[in-house]
Amino acid sequence: EAEVAQSPRYKITEKSQAVAFWCDPISGHATLYWYRQILGQGPELLVQFQDESVVDDSQLPKDRFSAERLKGVDSTLKIQPAELGDSAMYLCASSQMGLDSTYEQYFGPGTRLTVT
Amino acid sequence: LAKTTQPISMDSYEGQEVNITCSHNNIATNDYITWYQQFPSQGPRFIIQGYKTKVTNEVASLFIPADRKSSTLSLPRVSLSDTAVYYCLVGDADNFNKFYFGSGTKLNVKP
Repeated sequence: EAEVAQSPRYKITEKSQAVAFWCDPISGHATLYWYRQILGQGPELLVQFQDESVVDDSQLPKDRFSAERLKGVDSTLKIQPAELGDSAMYLCASSQMGLDSTYEQYFGPGTRLTVT
Repeated sequence: LAKTTQPISMDSYEGQEVNITCSHNNIATNDYITWYQQFPSQGPRFIIQGYKTKVTNEVASLFIPADRKSSTLSLPRVSLSDTAVYYCLVGDADNFNKFYFGSGTKLNVKP
């Protein structure tokens, strides 16, 4: 079964350093999402792509976060500089309309970021 | 997007049917209702999606009354492995599939 791939799975970085996460969605999925999930809370949408275009980045802290999906396939989320409050799980998901007209988001395993 | 309200937590016993209700008073005409399940240290997993009335699949049923201001996820005969957080999402599936997660309901299934 096709899966969303993410790397790295774990990342420890020091405050003020740069960090990047990579996501490879399920082949053919036009929509790609990046979420941040703080322990004990629900996932918070950071940015949503439709192909290579951003359709929602209203919750992305643009002073330090950036995201790109240059060829409309895989995507990179970057944080520079990292802050202690950025410690969280970063989840990537992709979706497309199913045969039964449902929209299901498929999530990757996530990247656990710890900022020290 | 419509905000959702769910109970913070629920307890159940193995073999029981569990019903988790979600309130979404401001749901829009184009909005769908979707439920996800999440285990610790994993990404959420799709359970079911619906627009109105009742939807059933191999793992759950989703009941949506006529006014669509609430919905109920029904899990038949839960087992210990159903212990997880369940999220109710409301969003416009026809608008780039925009859905937003709330805080979820922590279901604890006891033996």
